[in-house]
Amino acid sequence: QKEVEQNSGPLSVPEGAIASLNCTYSDRGSQSFFWYRQYSGKSPELIMFIYSNGDKEDGRFTAQLNKASQYVSLLIRDSQPSDSATYLCAGRSNDYKLSFGAGTTVTVRA
Amino acid sequence: ETGVTQTPRHLVMGMTNKKSLKCEQHLGHNAMYWYKQSAKKPLELMFVYSLEERVENNSVPSRFSPECPNSSHLFLHLHTLQPEDSALYLCASSPQGSGELFFGEGSRLTVL
Repeated sequence: QKEVEQNSGPLSVPEGAIASLNCTYSDRGSQSFFWYRQYSGKSPELIMFIYSNGDKEDGRFTAQLNKASQYVSLLIRDSQPSDSATYLCAGRSNDYKLSFGAGTTVTVRA
Repeated sequence: ETGVTQTPRHLVMGMTNKKSLKCEQHLGHNAMYWYKQSAKKPLELMFVYSLEERVENNSVPSRFSPECPNSSHLFLHLHTLQPEDSALYLCASSPQGSGELFFGEGSRLTVL
């Protein structure tokens, strides 16, 4: 069983819409979760992290965590063409091990 | 510019060659990582160094040999690789104990 699972997509949304990305994890020892964005041909960059159950908002991004359901999500409001990228979900189970999902590719249609 | 620099950016090698990938970070972090990224697969953690000591080794074949001479530099020595080792190799650094990784641009490796 994969430790972190994401729908590979592609997820296509019109400009201005909300993009909703989902992630589930199997390791109940995971304490914190991270969303990285990776543009084509580039390396991943951190956009958000969340430690506690509930929602965390940062600009147009909202991360949601439900530890009971082992579920993490990322909402992108007012999607822009520049949001077109692959989004990687990752869970951390110890000081050094970050387990990544395979990523969800998002395409924002102008 | 993330503050993490990898060289070379592209490398083509034969199965009998020996080569090395280099990573340098200018962020003052004390943890450094090697990840392997293959198409449509999750990032695979290969090695982690914290304060120059190896703290994670994810069952990586011995044809990959890491070296961390100081907290700013990390190497991945490659020897007798296989074609399935062709991938993007990403170096990252972080403050110790943080999941906030800063990645380099990667070294695209092709093994013929």
